[in-house]
Amino acid sequence: GQNIDQPTEMTATEGAIVQINCTYQTSGFNGLFWYQQHAGEAPTFLSYNVLDGLEEKGRFSSFLSRSKGYSYLLLKELQMKDSASYLCAVRDRDYKLSFGAGTTVTVRA
Amino acid sequence: IAGITQAPTSQILAAGRRMTLRCTQDMRHNAMYWYRQDLGLGLRLIHYSNTAGTTGKGEVPDGYSVSRANTDDFPLTLASAVPSQTSVYFCASSDGTGANVLTFGAGSRLTVL
Repeated sequence: GQNIDQPTEMTATEGAIVQINCTYQTSGFNGLFWYQQHAGEAPTFLSYNVLDGLEEKGRFSSFLSRSKGYSYLLLKELQMKDSASYLCAVRDRDYKLSFGAGTTVTVRA
Repeated sequence: IAGITQAPTSQILAAGRRMTLRCTQDMRHNAMYWYRQDLGLGLRLIHYSNTAGTTGKGEVPDGYSVSRANTDDFPLTLASAVPSQTSVYFCASSDGTGANVLTFGAGSRLTVL
């Protein structure tokens, strides 16, 4: 199984940068995902890392270190619409995805 | 519009009643999943199906059953609902290629009294 930890809440100012950390323990690592979930809506895919390093996608970047069991999601040039929950998820060798409890990010003007 | 349709959107149910949450996808994805989402616990996998005709148990399968008679449909049944099954239920699917990204339905909010 997986043990996935991420902070419960973070607050940042519009235009700033926020980094959401995720640590995990797994018996068989096969990829790490970040999803965004606005209140009352379904999760939507943001990023995927399977090798160590940084993946950049516009204002969002995701980093993975497999040896440390660690990932972060970096949100740059924050906008009000970025206020949401961000879910870290780890896939095992059977292709099942386990999710962390999520980090609620609040962007303030 | 391609995607996943879940029904009902919301339901209040008396304890002990039987309930089926419906899930249909039109993307011809092989794999389908049911998750429940509870405050502070995140999304937890209930059951999954890697392909039509097969199903498997996830992290929290007790009290739930699923079937996968065809590629498109993956209903979740609560045989005798209990209050601890009050939750938001999300159906998801993936095509099994590349990153195997999950696409989620809009969710079904179930309240068991």
